[in-house]
Amino acid sequence: NAGVMQNPRHLVRRRGQEARLRCSPMKGHSHVYWYRQLPEEGLKFMVYLQKENIIDESGMPKERFSAEFPKEGPSILRIQQVVRGDSAAYFCASSPQRDDGTFGSGTRLTVV
Amino acid sequence: KQEVTQIPAALSVPEGENLVLNCSFTDSAIYNLQWFRQDPGKGLTSLLLIQSSQREQTSGRLNASLDKSSGRSTLYIAASQPGDSATYLCAVGGLNYQLIWGAGTKLIIKP
Repeated sequence: NAGVMQNPRHLVRRRGQEARLRCSPMKGHSHVYWYRQLPEEGLKFMVYLQKENIIDESGMPKERFSAEFPKEGPSILRIQQVVRGDSAAYFCASSPQRDDGTFGSGTRLTVV
Repeated sequence: KQEVTQIPAALSVPEGENLVLNCSFTDSAIYNLQWFRQDPGKGLTSLLLIQSSQREQTSGRLNASLDKSSGRSTLYIAASQPGDSATYLCAVGGLNYQLIWGAGTKLIIKP
């Protein structure tokens, strides 16, 4: 069991470009959570998804951010028209049920 | 609204010392509390998970305690080693599924 896989590990985007972050949950896990860690800050919840459903996106910025977890394939966190303030580490966790998630290694997004 | 605070923000101690990291939370209605380790540029490693009905958990040189009534948890590290140098994060699981995180304690163990 390979654990939660996030890719890419590092992503550099110019302002205005799109960023797509992928999270492959552990085998058998149908719950996915995304968190964002801004520089020198704690992690903040963004969104909770189950297969084909967004359960809670209360932590997502209202614009430019979207997430999906399709029936097949990884969960995707998509950031359109990135700005410098989007630079952060984005962590994904997966679990077979509601809690006790296993975290991936994160994607570090740098917007230049 | 749950808020999680970790004190101190940074700590530097000589190798071999025992040390305590603190985590406090404002809402005692928690589901669980976890301690994580984060190495620079790396992911998150779960160290200990304490369910709300438990008082402590131990793993090797690590011991975490939970006092819900006072809104506090401590992470005790015995006989610290340079390899323990990392940022330690406390995360509180609420009655929903979200984890609320502290900002972390950056620990440096000097050889």
